[in-house]
Amino acid sequence: DGGITQSPKYLFRKEGQNVTLSCEQNLNHDAMYWYRQDPGQGLRLIYYSQIVNDFQKGDIAEGYSVSREKKESFPLTVTSAQKNPTAFYLCASSSAPRQYEQYFGPGTRLTVT
Amino acid sequence: GENVEQHPSTLSVQEGDSAVIKCTYSDSASNYFPWYKQELGKRPQLIIDIRSNVGEKKDQRIAVTLNKTAKHFSLHITETQPEDSAVYFCAASRGAGGTSYGKLTFGQGTILTVHP
Repeated sequence: DGGITQSPKYLFRKEGQNVTLSCEQNLNHDAMYWYRQDPGQGLRLIYYSQIVNDFQKGDIAEGYSVSREKKESFPLTVTSAQKNPTAFYLCASSSAPRQYEQYFGPGTRLTVT
Repeated sequence: GENVEQHPSTLSVQEGDSAVIKCTYSDSASNYFPWYKQELGKRPQLIIDIRSNVGEKKDQRIAVTLNKTAKHFSLHITETQPEDSAVYFCAASRGAGGTSYGKLTFGQGTILTVHP
């Protein structure tokens, strides 16, 4: 299971607060991704990054922000602008030339009340 | 963009029976189709994948078939066991080339329950 870690496993926040989810990998993968998982909707791409200091919006980027200052780390901030932040968040990574073979972290379940 | 539809949303079978999950995709440029298994509260794990230059691929009790013309692909699990119970996701990708950056578009998931 090792290689990609996410912390914490469970996170609780009050509405209106920003919260940052951690994702670290020691696989030397260039690409990293953030997905959101809701029941019955599969996984939806929030942001992705191919190299350090570069990232692109996915399908549901509104209300989220990311940074990629180090190859190993790709933190996701859920801002107060995200209307429905309660969800299971999954981080993934992959390596060229098979960037489409993504390996997932254990996930963080965020609950906002 | 790509759209992936997955059916059924739930599937219940008896141990030993076969299970089939189907997906359709919209982007004719998609060329890589993985299947992930996710047990309750765990991370999705890649179980099998197929590329567009192949029509079928098998790995022990699981197989995937691809029909490029019809833009659909299916997961087949034979001799199901209770430990096969999980959520299964299909996905599609244009691969690593160009601006796709290996992006995956996922189906909605199928909850498979195998009864002993």
